[in-house]
Amino acid sequence: DAGITQSPRYKITETGRQVTLMCHQTWSHSYMFWYRQDLGHGLRLIYYSAAADITDKGEVPDGYVVSRSKTENFPLTLESATRSQTSVYFCASRGPTYNEQFFGPGTRLTVL
Amino acid sequence: KNQVEQSPQSLIILEGKNCTLQCNYTVSPFSNLRWYKQDTGRGPVSLTIMTFSENTKSNGRYTATLDADTKQSSLHITASQLSDSASYICVVRDGATNKLIFGTGTLLAVQP
Repeated sequence: DAGITQSPRYKITETGRQVTLMCHQTWSHSYMFWYRQDLGHGLRLIYYSAAADITDKGEVPDGYVVSRSKTENFPLTLESATRSQTSVYFCASRGPTYNEQFFGPGTRLTVL
Repeated sequence: KNQVEQSPQSLIILEGKNCTLQCNYTVSPFSNLRWYKQDTGRGPVSLTIMTFSENTKSNGRYTATLDADTKQSSLHITASQLSDSASYICVVRDGATNKLIFGTGTLLAVQP
């Protein structure tokens, strides 16, 4: 199916564990983004990527690592999860018209 | 500091009624403004996008207005339906950095 998908949709982990959230898009969009959404905050940019092998920090990058070896995939890794990283994570890709961003369905992550 | 503020935080209306959501921003320079609809448990979906020269734009029962002089936008929903129950997010693109500044959203509940 065309579009942008995220996996897993729900994840519970423990403090200190490594977690990887997956994002896959089928449009071949160059730009991809990772956001987190918390109550009382607008979506906040964690990392973004302009193309394969090109990534850059966003507003809240600490504690996260990204990679992009292929255009269609943009995984986000929490190297040592903390409770403050409990959140809903959204991946997005940017299309060519008005630079509109298309969001995935989100991953709800709980760190115990 | 670039900010996007939305009001009200939440709103309850009866099915069939109209409502208007507000967005004030301080982002400068301004590039464009978007309204997104986010259903519970889903990613945001774009409703409208407006550039500096556009005052109003419609998408079905949704009509967005923009006053770039006062840095205000509104989203008017006509003849509300139960399916309009969602969070509505105002997003402004910073014309200098190209980054998106997200509001915290207005949570709309449409009751039968």
